[in-house]
Amino acid sequence: DTAVSQTPKYLVTQMGNDKSIKCEQNLGHDTMYWYKQDSKKFLKIMFSYNNKELIINETVPNRFSPKSPDKAHLNLHINSLELGDSAVYFCASSHGQGTTGELFFGEGSRLTVL
Amino acid sequence: GENVEQHPSTLSVQEGDSAVIKCTYSDSASNYFPWYKQELGKRPQLIIDIRSNVGEKKDQRIAVTLNKTAKHFSLHITETQPEDSAVYFCAASIKNNKLIFGAGTRLAVHP
Repeated sequence: DTAVSQTPKYLVTQMGNDKSIKCEQNLGHDTMYWYKQDSKKFLKIMFSYNNKELIINETVPNRFSPKSPDKAHLNLHINSLELGDSAVYFCASSHGQGTTGELFFGEGSRLTVL
Repeated sequence: GENVEQHPSTLSVQEGDSAVIKCTYSDSASNYFPWYKQELGKRPQLIIDIRSNVGEKKDQRIAVTLNKTAKHFSLHITETQPEDSAVYFCAASIKNNKLIFGAGTRLAVHP
């Protein structure tokens, strides 16, 4: 059973389009995250939710809107896609709200904006 | 702002040699320092972590050391094997429940 699963795994789209990535975790964790990994492999946090409540919102363009319908799901919607949005987006989860526990990452969603 | 610097960015070793990756952090309140391994095309996975009340931790061929005074911590891999080839990320916890990652080290172990 996959602990953190995200879909789709690959996404190729045109500039200006709107797309969504979905994430689900079956670990019973309270906290979920979205990370962006650019072409240089740099991992940067975008958002964090704890029990459906937004707790971290980095300086991400407001074209990015996360939604957590329940604590097992965290989706990411991106409006008006730009070339610079091309990256691998990783969903992750952890137990508790703090940053002192293991992050369990999904397999990543590679977004390519043409 | 808070940041984590990681060196070297690439590291090439012969199988059986040791590999050392170093990180420095800026936030003196950081108290948790994990290391993640990311194989090509895969997800990052935790390989070892250390908390600020411990100076060293070992798990088989990998070990991590922490120097709080100097604000740096290191990953040591002994008897490297080809399957150790991957990108390794250090990270440090900072306030507001954030984990800041280093830029990564691409380790290549040659048979």
